[in-house]
Formats: sequence, C-alpha cells, structure tokens
Amino acid sequence: DSGVTQTPKHLITATGQRVTLRCSPRSGDLSVYWYQQSLDQGLQFLIQYYNGEERAKGNILERFSAQQFPDLHSELNLSSLELGDSALYFCASSVGPSGEGAQYFGPGTRLTVL
Amino acid sequence: LAKTTQPISMDSYEGQEVNITCSHNNIATNDYITWYQQFPSQGPRFIIQGYKTKVTNEVASLFIPADRKSSTLSLPRVSLSDTAVYYCLVGPYGSSNTGKLIFGQGTTLQVKP
Repeated sequence: DSGVTQTPKHLITATGQRVTLRCSPRSGDLSVYWYQQSLDQGLQFLIQYYNGEERAKGNILERFSAQQFPDLHSELNLSSLELGDSALYFCASSVGPSGEGAQYFGPGTRLTVL
Repeated sequence: LAKTTQPISMDSYEGQEVNITCSHNNIATNDYITWYQQFPSQGPRFIIQGYKTKVTNEVASLFIPADRKSSTLSLPRVSLSDTAVYYCLVGPYGSSNTGKLIFGQGTTLQVKP
C-alpha cells in the first residue's frame, strides 16, 4: 500500500460524457501527479501540482483539466469523452516539487468509454 | 530529458541474479537515474535511485559507471513474484525542476520456476 488513494476504482461511461477522478496523496506529500496508461501509448505524464499550484504540464488534452485543493487532494476532470480516452489513470505523490526521491503511485482508476 | 534504451524483455529463473542494463548516452550533469517496477494493472513502484557509483537498498542494487552513460539494475535471487515490467528513467531533479517522469517501454522480466 503506497498511501495514495484513488477513487473510483472503475468507471464506465459513454462517449461525450464528463467524469471526475479523485486522488488523495500520502500524508505530508505536497506534489500530486497524474499519468495515463493505455495499451498503445504506455505511461504518459499528464500534469503535476505542487501545494495547490500547477507545476508541470505534459501530454494533457484540452478536454482534460485538473486541480489541487487546499487539503491537497486532487481531481482530474475528463470531458467530451472519446473511445480513445479509455485507459488506466494513475495518481502519484511526492514530498517536494522536484523528482528527487520516490513518487508513490496509487492503485489507479480504470476508465472505460463505450 | 535524456532518452533511455533498455531491452524489451528478459527471461530468468528463480534464485538467479538478474541484471537489467539501461543506456542513457545523453545524460546531463544534473540527471538522476531512477528505476520503477510495475505489475499488471497496478501503479509503478519506486525501486531505487542513484547519481553515480553504486547504490544498494533492501531489494536491489544500482550500478552506475563513471561516465554515467549507462546503468544496471541488479535484482538478487529473483522469485516468481519479481515478474514485472521494469522502467529506467533519467531526469533532472532539483528545486528548479519538476517531478515529471518520462516512462519508456520498459523491460518485461519473466521469471520462470
């Protein structure tokens, strides 16, 4: 158990819909990261927040957005969903803003878009 | 971020030592080398991180030669439960940088009985 929690575990929805994925980082960690893992693209970095502020952006689509709240939990919002958005979405956390040391990954949310 | 090259797959047997080498010819001065392990449908798990020479923890060792253009993850006496994908990552870490991780295709290690 990494200490990072993600909800829901599974999500099945239809094209065009909007969903919200939630992540709670490990106690004491200020950075939250979102990654997408699909069969054809592998693990892709989406976005990082540190202490409520956006820190880095990766291959995140404009239809996707995220935020980190004052209690440090984070939400990833996916809208106008397409079949290709079906993937595993992982959240990770770390203590600081940089990559020194470990990132701790949650169990993931499996999104299926029908 | 430096590009890494590692074998796509490796086979081993229980009880053997496994060495997975990662090539990173364009590694920069402030780059660290980090290895993650991932089981199917689970999030990656940090194994070890190093900058130069040798780093050892309770699960693995990381060997980095003086030129730092490659690194070797060593797993002693593997068991069936070590069957997983292993990722080598190289990135700049420090207060001015981010924690963005760039994952390559990884090495799928298959441990046989």
